[in-house]
Amino acid sequence: QITLKESGPTLVKPTQNLTLTCTFSGFSLTSSGVGVGWIRQPPGKALEWLALIYWDDDVRYTPSLKSRLTITKDTSKNQVVLAMTNMDPVDTATYYCAHRLTATSWLYWGQGNLVTVSS
Amino acid sequence: QSALTQPPSASGSPGQSVAISCTGTSSDVGGYKYVSWYQQHPGKAPRLIIYEVTKRPSGVPDRFSGSKSGNTASLTVSGLQAEDEADYYCSSYAGSTNFEVFGGGTKLTVL
Repeated sequence: QITLKESGPTLVKPTQNLTLTCTFSGFSLTSSGVGVGWIRQPPGKALEWLALIYWDDDVRYTPSLKSRLTITKDTSKNQVVLAMTNMDPVDTATYYCAHRLTATSWLYWGQGNLVTVSS
Repeated sequence: QSALTQPPSASGSPGQSVAISCTGTSSDVGGYKYVSWYQQHPGKAPRLIIYEVTKRPSGVPDRFSGSKSGNTASLTVSGLQAEDEADYYCSSYAGSTNFEVFGGGTKLTVL
């Protein structure tokens, strides 16, 4: 059974940096083809793909946020970490991590972590 | 503004069929076979219901079907049921640079 769970702050101040952790079970990020990604959703708005890390450490980022994002993995802890710098109120959203099925389809999702950016 | 264009709303009566469109370009929807659809109920995480244009994950009813023609993909929900009322999002692979783009979402109402 594959499960993922996001953890991190629920409130950050503008200009601060954000670190979110995705802890997963039921699969290994050392297995060929496996990938874990991050997708966010502002309140009442659409989904936005952010980043993806593969089993072989290859990473992909959405171009508009690439300069602010870093995705890493710790296979010993079964964790993927997303770091985002210089947070702004427009970054207020629920941040999801998800397990990649094929290409850009996400079959298993975490419950989401709502992050509010406010002073 | 989302990269893929979906109608903001759609509706149908129980038992009817409804189709939701997702329009992109030759750089995403039209260029690859990697279109996915997600169903999202309020307060819940999205659920994958279609991947690679037409495939359904295990457990997804065959009332849900996907297709693609040119730069437009479509999700058809047949035999509408009350529990199908939700938001639906499409996504597509968009090449090695942009990688993945989502649509703006469609709210499906079962009348």
